[in-house]
Amino acid sequence: DSGVTQTPKHLITATGQRVTLRCSPRSGDLSVYWYQQSLDQGLQFLIQYYNGEERAKGNILERFSAQQFPDLHSELNLSSLELGDSALYFCASSVTASYNEQFFGPGTRLTVL
Amino acid sequence: QQPVQSPQAVILREGEDAVINCSSSKALYSVHWYRQKHGEAPVFLMILLKGGEQKGHEKISASFNEKKQQSSLYLTASQLSYSGTYFCGTDRSTGGSYIPTFGRGTSLIVHP
Repeated sequence: DSGVTQTPKHLITATGQRVTLRCSPRSGDLSVYWYQQSLDQGLQFLIQYYNGEERAKGNILERFSAQQFPDLHSELNLSSLELGDSALYFCASSVTASYNEQFFGPGTRLTVL
Repeated sequence: QQPVQSPQAVILREGEDAVINCSSSKALYSVHWYRQKHGEAPVFLMILLKGGEQKGHEKISASFNEKKQQSSLYLTASQLSYSGTYFCGTDRSTGGSYIPTFGRGTSLIVHP
């Protein structure tokens, strides 16, 4: 158990819908990363927040957005969902903003039908 | 910009050694290695900072050659528990922040 929690574990929805994925980092970690993992694309970095502010942005679509709240939990919002958005979404946390050891949550498996 | 891992897959018997390579076309600030078992989250193994430092974690060690922009992960006397997919990750510096980028992974299967 990494200490990072993610909810829900599974999500099944239809195209065009909007969903919210939630992540709580390890106690004491200020940085949260979001990743998308699919079979054909591997592990893709989406976005990083550090202490409530956006720190780095990767291959995140405009339909996707995220935020980190004062209690440091983070949410990833996915809207206008398409079939290709079906994937495993991981969040990870680390102590600092600079790249270092990341602790991954168990992931949310999103299926878009 | 994605680091390239080789080989794509390795099949071993318990007790055998393996080497997984990771190379990048861009200058590297650090290299990190993770192992992911099927259906589970990636688990951090080690991080190497530029300077050619070699680190170890029990029977798993790694090297980082900054000049060649390469890293190698060494698994000695492999155990059944080593089975999984190994990812190397690198950082791409952009505008003062670092973008983590992962290779496609190397699948390691250890047989009894």
